[in-house]
Amino acid sequence: QVHLQESGPGLVKPSETLSLTCTVSGGSINNYYWSWVRQPPGKGLEWIGDIFYSGTTTYNPSLKSRVTLSVDTSKNQFSLKLNSVTTADTAVFYCAKVGGPGYFQDWGQGTLVTVSS
Amino acid sequence: DIVMTQSPDSLAVSLGERATINCKSSQSVLYSSNNKNYLAWYQQKPGQPPKLLISWASTRESGVPDRFSGSGSGTDFTLTITSLQAEDVAVYYCQQYYSTPRTFGRGTKVEIK
Repeated sequence: QVHLQESGPGLVKPSETLSLTCTVSGGSINNYYWSWVRQPPGKGLEWIGDIFYSGTTTYNPSLKSRVTLSVDTSKNQFSLKLNSVTTADTAVFYCAKVGGPGYFQDWGQGTLVTVSS
Repeated sequence: DIVMTQSPDSLAVSLGERATINCKSSQSVLYSSNNKNYLAWYQQKPGQPPKLLISWASTRESGVPDRFSGSGSGTDFTLTITSLQAEDVAVYYCQQYYSTPRTFGRGTKVEIK
């Protein structure tokens, strides 16, 4: 079981870009898919997108126009950028290791990002 | 998108009793080529990330107590907790991975009566 840790600013202004990084430890990022999931306060879970260690990405169409995922295998990290944020993007953001064809096997602790001026 | 509908939204069960959570998908998540259901269940306790309990609709993850079981096929699925323990208080989510976007149910909150 790998350990995942999200990092990044906890406060972002409206219209700016939210940037988060997930650091994977206890295992290699190679040969797996990695994902981002978000959860607005008191609400349910929304899948944002996946990235393969090679850099291949799949995004949720609802966010595709604003999301970019990237990976840095040398650092065992992958990252999320969400641009043009609004208050509706306020959420706890989780990074996760994808198991099998698409369930979420291991999760980071999550990081709350608040969009506010 | 496949819509996942969970019921009930919440339930209160006495310690030692059975809790049953239902999940219905708007289309089948059973792949005919391998006869597998692409359905997972998660447990989320307050202030914690979700924890994978069950994949493939009925395969328990290592370390998950056997009082948790998943069943169902096609579009209708059930998570059963036999003999509810205090530590099982949580919100439970189903998730389909048959197609993207991967989607979750809205969650079922399990409390002690």
